[in-house]
Amino acid sequence: DGGITQSPKYLFRKEGQNVTLSCEQNLNHDAMYWYRQDPGQGLRLIYYSQIVNDFQKGDIAEGYSVSREKKESFPLTVTSAQKNPTAFYLCASSAGGMGYEQYFGPGTRLTVT
Amino acid sequence: ILNVEQSPQSLHVQEGDSTNFTCSFPSSNFYALHWYRWETAKSPEALFVMTLNGDEKKKGRISATLNTKEGYSYLYIKGSQPEDSATYLCAFIGNQFYFGTGTSLTVIP
Repeated sequence: DGGITQSPKYLFRKEGQNVTLSCEQNLNHDAMYWYRQDPGQGLRLIYYSQIVNDFQKGDIAEGYSVSREKKESFPLTVTSAQKNPTAFYLCASSAGGMGYEQYFGPGTRLTVT
Repeated sequence: ILNVEQSPQSLHVQEGDSTNFTCSFPSSNFYALHWYRWETAKSPEALFVMTLNGDEKKKGRISATLNTKEGYSYLYIKGSQPEDSATYLCAFIGNQFYFGTGTSLTVIP
């Protein structure tokens, strides 16, 4: 089945550790996105990538890093510099740029203690 | 950071009722507006992508309108069914994506 997978579903880490969230898509989409959701807030864009080897910061990129070495994969690293890393993280992809509908993965809930 | 506001925050309707929600966004730097439906324990799914002022789109019992000059979009659900229960998100696309906090709809059988 075509779609977007994120793993793991739940992730627990100790404060001060970096952690990488996986996002893979087999939809042959060019663009991929990472969002974060906190209680009472809308989805906020962390990073997006329109093509391989290129990515742009969203409004809340501080403390995060990404790579886009393959079309299918867009991993997100939550670094120890991220002050409030506990959140629900959603990955998405779209066939083209900003005007195209996005297809979302199931999300990863990260808890840092 | 740009504000995209959705109202109401939540509502409960009886099965068979029609309902509508609002998404308000800045009227400048508009590129597109997306509507998504997010059911509990599932991923958000796209309903509509709207780009032109005056756009009206329909999918079954759900329709949406767009006014880019005044900065709002309405989502309508005709004859609500329990399976329509979900959170409905709008996203304003200008230089980046900005999502509203959603309208949570519960349809009571």
